[in-house]
Amino acid sequence: GENVEQHPSTLSVQEGDSAVIKCTYSDSASNYFPWYKQELGKRPQLIIDIRSNVGEKKDQRIAVTLNKTAKHFSLHITETQPEDSAVYFCGGGSEKLVFGKGMKLTVNP
Amino acid sequence: DSGVTQTPKHLITATGQRVTLRCSPRSGDLSVYWYQQSLDQGLQFLIQYYNGEERAKGNILERFSAQQFPDLHSELNLSSLELGDSALYFCASSVMQGARYGYTFGSGTRLTVV
Repeated sequence: GENVEQHPSTLSVQEGDSAVIKCTYSDSASNYFPWYKQELGKRPQLIIDIRSNVGEKKDQRIAVTLNKTAKHFSLHITETQPEDSAVYFCGGGSEKLVFGKGMKLTVNP
Repeated sequence: DSGVTQTPKHLITATGQRVTLRCSPRSGDLSVYWYQQSLDQGLQFLIQYYNGEERAKGNILERFSAQQFPDLHSELNLSSLELGDSALYFCASSVMQGARYGYTFGSGTRLTVV
């Protein structure tokens, strides 16, 4: 069945460093790949997404890349700030979204 | 406010009981998705409805059921509750069926089974 795997599960960086989160997916029919940020006790919020006809997308300090051949996509956060600390989920799918297990990012001041 | 409303925000109940979680999608959204988030677990897909019809099922237990009403709100019914059912339950909505339309999540219902 559809599966999305995400790694690493935790990441700790110093303020100003870059962070990279990687995800792989199993369903070749997947055509939409969003990234959500979830702060403690709050709802997941969409931060960026990419569709299967695009290889890369950037929005200020965040960027996402997609490699359809290898079935993996990545989130890149540059110049990290303490407020970037949260759990990040990758998702993928066509009819419905399947999510990875999340990565807890800690940005140390 | 995302526009997706979930009630109640918190629910504490005993094992063996039955509860109903409610979700009102964003205005104009026809699809509703339910997800379960347990401690240290990701978002587990439970079930999807589109315009009143069930469209996809995930790892939803037989003790759980859901429906979407003509006014498009949805209810998730959890029965014979067990301690392991304690989790955050999120509802998400999208304008049409299909992942490519994107999801908007509600604030969730935190269920605690004691």
